[in-house]
Amino acid sequence: DAGVIQSPRHEVTEMGQEVTLRCKPISGHNSLFWYRQTMMRGLELLIYFNNNVPIDDSGMPEDRFSAKMPNASFSTLKIQPSEPRDSAVYFCASRGDTLGYNSPLHFGNGTRLTVT
Amino acid sequence: LAKTTQPISMDSYEGQEVNITCSHNNIATNDYITWYQQFPSQGPRFIIQGYKTKVTNEVASLFIPADRKSSTLSLPRVSLSDTAVYYCLVGGDHTNAGKSTFGDGTTLTVKP
Repeated sequence: DAGVIQSPRHEVTEMGQEVTLRCKPISGHNSLFWYRQTMMRGLELLIYFNNNVPIDDSGMPEDRFSAKMPNASFSTLKIQPSEPRDSAVYFCASRGDTLGYNSPLHFGNGTRLTVT
Repeated sequence: LAKTTQPISMDSYEGQEVNITCSHNNIATNDYITWYQQFPSQGPRFIIQGYKTKVTNEVASLFIPADRKSSTLSLPRVSLSDTAVYYCLVGGDHTNAGKSTFGDGTTLTVKP
């Protein structure tokens, strides 16, 4: 089990540029979550997929953010255009179905995004 | 929505037992209680989960009273490496199709 894999680990970009973050969930897990973590706001849930379908995107800050899950083994979070206030650590997590919604989350190591 | 309340921070010394309590007054019948640990620059990591009474694994114990409105994570004989943020989650927020929302967590600092 390779765990949840995120790329890149670090991303530094200039304001206005497009940023794409990638996530490979654990094989067999049917739920995928994108979180953002900052000192000020803590760990915020951005969007949640179940069986590749977006279930709740109420945490997505604004239209500049979009997420896709074209298949069960891949998801992207895109920011276009990026702004300095988007600087944060972005985590992807996946969840199996052994206990339904009570099943534990498995997190990746995150992508640290810096927008200058 | 089963919101949780935890202390913001706790200090301890190496070798001591640490107990972190989480309140979840609105826990639903089908909700489990799950604790995560997060080190700096890493994602949260699952450490223990339970439904009622007591659960123990190689890392921690989880005590859940009969009314399930609270739970206590117990870390035996902590070391410096147990310094981390600990999050308590209840269910997967079944009222919102299973999404999982984290609170502020408890920052545990273990001193030598």
